[in-house]
Amino acid sequence: AQSVTQPDIHITVSEGASLELRCNYSYGATPYLFWYVQSPGQGLQLLLKYFSGDTLVQGIKGFEAEFKRSQSSFNLRKPSVHWSDAAEYFCAVGASRNTGTASKLTFGTGTRLQVTL
Amino acid sequence: DGGITQSPKYLFRKEGQNVTLSCEQNLNHDAMYWYRQDPGQGLRLIYYSQIVNDFQKGDIAEGYSVSREKKESFPLTVTSAQKNPTAFYLCASKGAWDSGANVLTFGAGSRLTVL
Repeated sequence: AQSVTQPDIHITVSEGASLELRCNYSYGATPYLFWYVQSPGQGLQLLLKYFSGDTLVQGIKGFEAEFKRSQSSFNLRKPSVHWSDAAEYFCAVGASRNTGTASKLTFGTGTRLQVTL
Repeated sequence: DGGITQSPKYLFRKEGQNVTLSCEQNLNHDAMYWYRQDPGQGLRLIYYSQIVNDFQKGDIAEGYSVSREKKESFPLTVTSAQKNPTAFYLCASKGAWDSGANVLTFGAGSRLTVL
């Protein structure tokens, strides 16, 4: 069964500092990997995704993530955090492309990011 | 603009009552999903539907029911059999792989509180 672990429940960083949110996954085949962001009381917005190819993927809002198969990780990074980045971040893993629309995502428990000024 | 509309945003219910949460999408997506979100537990899949008139149970389907009579609509009923229904409910949809839309798009959510 597929699973996702986000080991950090809560992270606090200063505005302008760099950020890395950790994500480890368990999946038996080539995974699809995603990072979503959620503001309080809102739905989830896709930050970036990895399907295949270049293991360093760029997303919106200046975020990037690196797929490391050997470590089963897909950590999210941002070189300089802005106060508006404060939110909850979810990593998710899904089945490979061959399952089409039938694929389901499994989400981690989320990491809440607090940004201090 | 295309998107997913969930209603109501907030809903209060007395114990023993059934409630129905609405989810409508105009993205022309085939697949639709319902997730439940509780603090510290991430998102858990309740039901999903790949095509009209067909749906499958997710990981926590007990106490919930759905229908998919139209491509655009996937309502979720929280029945009185659901032991702990207070939660934030998220609806999502996804297009076919070759449509370039094979990622989940989420609605803004509905918060259900049982009094």
